[in-house]
Amino acid sequence: NAGVTQTPKFQVLKTGQSMTLQCAQDMNHEYMSWYRQDPGMGLRLIHYSVGAGITDQGEVPNGYNVSRSTTEDFPLRLLSAAPSQTSVYFCATGRDQPQHFGDGTRLSIL
Amino acid sequence: GQQLNQSPQSMFIQEGEDVSMNCTSSSIFNTWLWYKQDPGEGPVLLIALYKAGELTSNGRLTAQFGITRKDSFLNISASIPSDVGIYFCAGQLYTGANSKLTFGKGITLSVRP
Repeated sequence: NAGVTQTPKFQVLKTGQSMTLQCAQDMNHEYMSWYRQDPGMGLRLIHYSVGAGITDQGEVPNGYNVSRSTTEDFPLRLLSAAPSQTSVYFCATGRDQPQHFGDGTRLSIL
Repeated sequence: GQQLNQSPQSMFIQEGEDVSMNCTSSSIFNTWLWYKQDPGEGPVLLIALYKAGELTSNGRLTAQFGITRKDSFLNISASIPSDVGIYFCAGQLYTGANSKLTFGKGITLSVRP
């Protein structure tokens, strides 16, 4: 997964806390996206961006914010963490579709 | 919303066998993609298909974009133990600036030596 860096790899939060999941890429890709993966649910799109300054909602955007101020970075913010947001989060980039995924952030909300 | 159907959830095959996986949708797509995910890692793109009827190979993998644009299949020939993993199909529909990708729920493949 060279080229897409997600941090942190693991995180435990308490309900109500906020945090930012970081995603950085060095491949100059316009398309960046965030997915969550839950058992038996596959990958669900949270938010995506087709270029700096442009973001749009995916299938499950509630409780999450994104911004895209640079081509390289696409942070995902949890405003007030809830147990239902316990999941594995993947960032993916590509020219116009997710071709490269990061290794994921495993997030637990207590 | 758009949904992709992958079934069964799990497949068990013997090393050396061929296996075929289908992905169907009630909606049409412009692009079909197949990914493989190993435990603890992110998905890796295996094959991308851009045109109805397109047949593309990548080593022992072959995938086709259905003529109706509502389905795709992935074939793995002469399976080996490292083929174990979860295989996801994904469909993408371009509508102006909108280019959302929808994933199937995946098929877990086990290969018996």
